[in-house]
Amino acid sequence: EAQVTQNPRYLITVTGKKLTVTCSQNMNHEYMSWYRQDPGLGLRQIYYSMNVEVTDKGDVPEGYKVSRKEKRNFPLILESPSPNQTSLYFCASSFYPPQGNQPQHFGDGTRLSIL
Amino acid sequence: QQPVQSPQAVILREGEDAVINCSSSKALYSVHWYRQKHGEAPVFLMILLKGGEQKGHEKISASFNEKKQQSSLYLTASQLSYSGTYFCGTDQGAQKLVFGQGTRLTINP
Repeated sequence: EAQVTQNPRYLITVTGKKLTVTCSQNMNHEYMSWYRQDPGLGLRQIYYSMNVEVTDKGDVPEGYKVSRKEKRNFPLILESPSPNQTSLYFCASSFYPPQGNQPQHFGDGTRLSIL
Repeated sequence: QQPVQSPQAVILREGEDAVINCSSSKALYSVHWYRQKHGEAPVFLMILLKGGEQKGHEKISASFNEKKQQSSLYLTASQLSYSGTYFCGTDQGAQKLVFGQGTRLTINP
């Protein structure tokens, strides 16, 4: 089954404790992206990747890191999480950047609470 | 620049029609529409490309006016299953989608 898999689905942690949210897709997509969703603000892009070893900042990259060492994986790293990073996070992928006829496929989301 | 969706929320009775608008201050190459059920991932509905085309998906259709930098989503004879939050995602030519803040649609029996 074609899917984008995120782990964990839920995480409660404390300020300053490094964490990684994994994202994996099995559709051989080149483009992958991380979003955070907050009430009233919609989906805001954190980072995106055009291909292996090619990443770039989205609209809200502060406090986050990413890597793309393999085509299928795109982990999101919070090296020193803070309470303002409490949010619902989505990973998404598509064959190419979202231009023309390229829908984004979303994972099921990761709800992070940072105390 | 984040596009602006209107209305922010709408409540309908089953069978009524709804229009959700998405307006951008920047030129658009395409507009994507997604629906998200509470607690779930956004699900793709359709993409509108430059050219002012209108697309349909059963009783859900959309239009894109590139000159006005606007897109509208039309839901006709709404069903209970249409409830959710609708997002437009705009391609502003920067290798990424910029999403609106969402429109919450509630369909009551």
